[in-house]
Amino acid sequence: AQSVTQLDSQVPVFEEAPVELRCNYSSSVSVYLFWYVQYPNQGLQLLLKYLSGSTLVKGINGFEAEFNKSQTSFHLRKPSVHISDTAEYFCAVLTGGGNKLTFGTGTQLKVEL
Amino acid sequence: EAGVAQSPRYKIIEKRQSVAFWCNPISGHATLYWYQQILGQGPKLLIQFQNNGVVDDSQLPKDRFSAERLKGVDSTLKIQPAKLEDSAVYLCASSLDLPVSSYEQYFGPGTRLTVT
Repeated sequence: AQSVTQLDSQVPVFEEAPVELRCNYSSSVSVYLFWYVQYPNQGLQLLLKYLSGSTLVKGINGFEAEFNKSQTSFHLRKPSVHISDTAEYFCAVLTGGGNKLTFGTGTQLKVEL
Repeated sequence: EAGVAQSPRYKIIEKRQSVAFWCNPISGHATLYWYQQILGQGPKLLIQFQNNGVVDDSQLPKDRFSAERLKGVDSTLKIQPAKLEDSAVYLCASSLDLPVSSYEQYFGPGTRLTVT
């Protein structure tokens, strides 16, 4: 079975500082990987996804992630965060042929002034 | 384009009572999903519909949970009777058929259920 590990439950960072949210996955087959963001009292919104091709994926709001097959990682980065980036971030892997997403436990990003 | 609609947004019930949630997916989306998100955890898929047929309900507690999508459009998820551990946010999502979808799921705002 495929699984996703997000090692950091909370990441505090000052505004305009860079940030990296870590995600590792386990899979014995090709994977499709996703990052979603969840703002308070809202549903999930897709930030970016890796399906194939370039291992560096750019998403919305200035976020990017790099797929590293040898390290089975898909870390999310942003060079300069803003207060409005405060939210919960979920890494997910697609399993099987039925479009089933398996999510990590999430990382709460808190941006401070 | 209207997003995924869910109602109610919040619900408080006592244990052993029943509750129902409603979801209207994005127009034209054939696939509909119900997820359970317990506080501090990632969403967990409960059931997936393709049009009005069930694709995956392996993690749905069938002794108390039921879901239907009768006309292949909107869907209801029911819990009867509710337990304290059912307190969670219930998220509905929808997507186009593969391969057109590029695997993207669109999520509604969720229903926050509190069981006391």
